[in-house]
Amino acid sequence: NAGVMQNPRHLVRRRGQEARLRCSPMKGHSHVYWYRQLPEEGLKFMVYLQKENIIDESGMPKERFSAEFPKEGPSILRIQQVVRGDSAAYFCASSAGTGDFPLHFGNGTRLTVT
Amino acid sequence: EDQVTQSPEALRLQEGESSSLNCSYTVSGLRGLFWYRQDPGKGPEFLFTLYSAGEEKEKERLKATLTKKESFLHITAPKPEDSATYLCAVRTGNQFYFGTGTSLTVIP
Repeated sequence: NAGVMQNPRHLVRRRGQEARLRCSPMKGHSHVYWYRQLPEEGLKFMVYLQKENIIDESGMPKERFSAEFPKEGPSILRIQQVVRGDSAAYFCASSAGTGDFPLHFGNGTRLTVT
Repeated sequence: EDQVTQSPEALRLQEGESSSLNCSYTVSGLRGLFWYRQDPGKGPEFLFTLYSAGEEKEKERLKATLTKKESFLHITAPKPEDSATYLCAVRTGNQFYFGTGTSLTVIP
């Protein structure tokens, strides 16, 4: 009963390095959302993807951040030249389609930038 | 602007002491209101979806209700294992907007 799988669970990067976060959606799900969560703050939407398409990236910073969901393989959230302010928990969620389906979340990747 | 506000921010209950958590929202074109439970170090776990005013859903000690402006999560006779942060989210279009949650602590 594979849920949403995210790896790594913890990632430490020095300022200026690149961070790659991976997400495999639940079986049968082709819609992926990425969220960022900071302590004492809610989940902030970043990007919504379907296979091979970015549907909505309105929550993602224009620079240094990118996301993809290829035909084969996991969805990737990529952060280039990380800064301390990028330290946060990044959650991936998947849903079954464009209908009124709930999101199902992974356990997140906790990024620490030193 | 679409907004979701949860109250209280934190709630401490004695075991067996029932209470309610509130989620108020202002969105256009509501496509569903969702409740989640989040434990420390984990991702949110889906609990309920509500679609229209008057709708109710139940699961064990939890019951969720929906009006046109807010939703309540009622917790009946809570146990320590119900301690967690409870999040609500509303869907409009492709987006899900989350509140900041209510941190519930149930004391034995």
